[in-house]
Amino acid sequence: DSGVTQTPKHLITATGQRVTLRCSPRSGDLSVYWYQQSLDQGLQFLIQYYNGEERAKGNILERFSAQQFPDLHSELNLSSLELGDSALYFCASSVAAGKREKLFFGSGTQLSVL
Amino acid sequence: AQTVTQSQPEMSVQEAETVTLSCTYDTSESDYYLFWYKQPPSRQMILVIRQEAYKQQNATENRFSVNFQKAAKSFSLKISDSQLGDAAMYFCAYRSARIKAAGNKLTFGGGTRVLVKP
Repeated sequence: DSGVTQTPKHLITATGQRVTLRCSPRSGDLSVYWYQQSLDQGLQFLIQYYNGEERAKGNILERFSAQQFPDLHSELNLSSLELGDSALYFCASSVAAGKREKLFFGSGTQLSVL
Repeated sequence: AQTVTQSQPEMSVQEAETVTLSCTYDTSESDYYLFWYKQPPSRQMILVIRQEAYKQQNATENRFSVNFQKAAKSFSLKISDSQLGDAAMYFCAYRSARIKAAGNKLTFGGGTRVLVKP
């Protein structure tokens, strides 16, 4: 167990809908990362937050948004869902945001858009 | 932009034997980190081994070792004495040391599936 908790584990929804994925980092970790794993695109970095502020942005669609709350948990919001958004969404956390940081991954949320 | 390539979609190994997974990457940077992650059927991403580019010595973690060739931009993973529990997808990943520009993001390769035969 990495200590990173993601909910829900599975999510099935329809095209056009909006969903929220939740991530609780390891106790004490200030940095949160979101990754998407799909058959087409492989594992892609979406976005990173550090202590509530956006630190780095990757290939995140405009329909997607994220935030990190004062208690350090993070949410990834996906709207106007399309079939191609079906993927496994990972959250990872690290203590800080330095270059030596070790990332701990959650078990992911499997999103299926029908 | 950095890219990571894993040319072997699948590798098969006999239990107790050795298997080597290939990874090449493209970067113009001189300071960076390379990783191998394991993803078993449980989907959890587990860090196997890490290599810092400025260190010439190859990293080793128990039965896992790497062959880091900086000039060739190659980073292979050797699994010795393979066990049934080693069966998983293995991903090679790159991370820049330029945190201010790139954050801590990992760039992953496409993965190699390792099958272990009893």
